[in-house]
Amino acid sequence: AQSVTQLGSHVSVSEGALVLLRCNYSSSVPPYLFWYVQYPNQGLQLLLKYTSAATLVKGINGFEAEFKKSETSFHLTKPSAHMSDAAEYFCAVSESGGYQKVTFGTGTKLQVIP
Amino acid sequence: GAVVSQHPSRVICKSGTSVKIECRSLDFQATTMFWYRQFPKQSLMLMATSNEGSKATYEQGVEKDKFLINHASLTLSTLTVTSAHPEDSSFYICSARPVTGVNTGELFFGEGSRLTVL
Repeated sequence: AQSVTQLGSHVSVSEGALVLLRCNYSSSVPPYLFWYVQYPNQGLQLLLKYTSAATLVKGINGFEAEFKKSETSFHLTKPSAHMSDAAEYFCAVSESGGYQKVTFGTGTKLQVIP
Repeated sequence: GAVVSQHPSRVICKSGTSVKIECRSLDFQATTMFWYRQFPKQSLMLMATSNEGSKATYEQGVEKDKFLINHASLTLSTLTVTSAHPEDSSFYICSARPVTGVNTGELFFGEGSRLTVL
């Protein structure tokens, strides 16, 4: 079985400050890991994904995440927050090998303070 | 990038009526589509996995007779909420997994459909 835990349902940062959204996963096989962003009343958009290649993954909008197997973590970071980054962020895990369902975390709402 | 279109984006209906939501992959083929339900300020709950040409696989606790899923082609899956009641009001999101290429588990999401049952 696979699962994802996102620590902190709400995170507030000042504009220009570092963004850190935490995600820990559990998987019985090597995982594929994803971060998605959701704006109000919209679907989800992929920010980045880890699929067993480089452990440091760069995504869109300046976000990146590092896969740490020893810590079973896949935290999302961005050096400098922008007002447009305010949204809901979901970490997700899928067992590698394809055709597996994706399990989502409970989400973290990011607030950016001017 | 791959585009998934969901229609309608918003629908309001009376209690007891049925509502159909369509999910289309516009520029790729998807043998597998997923239907999620999202309650306010909560995560996505997988309702069912829709496979082209076969019956959908429903998650535990999801009523298959209430949430009818049809995946008639490689680009279209539909979710029909039958005899809708106010408690069915929610945000429904579909996603599709491309057939071709290395399967990385990545999903492409529709824009979501907000259902309000009066």
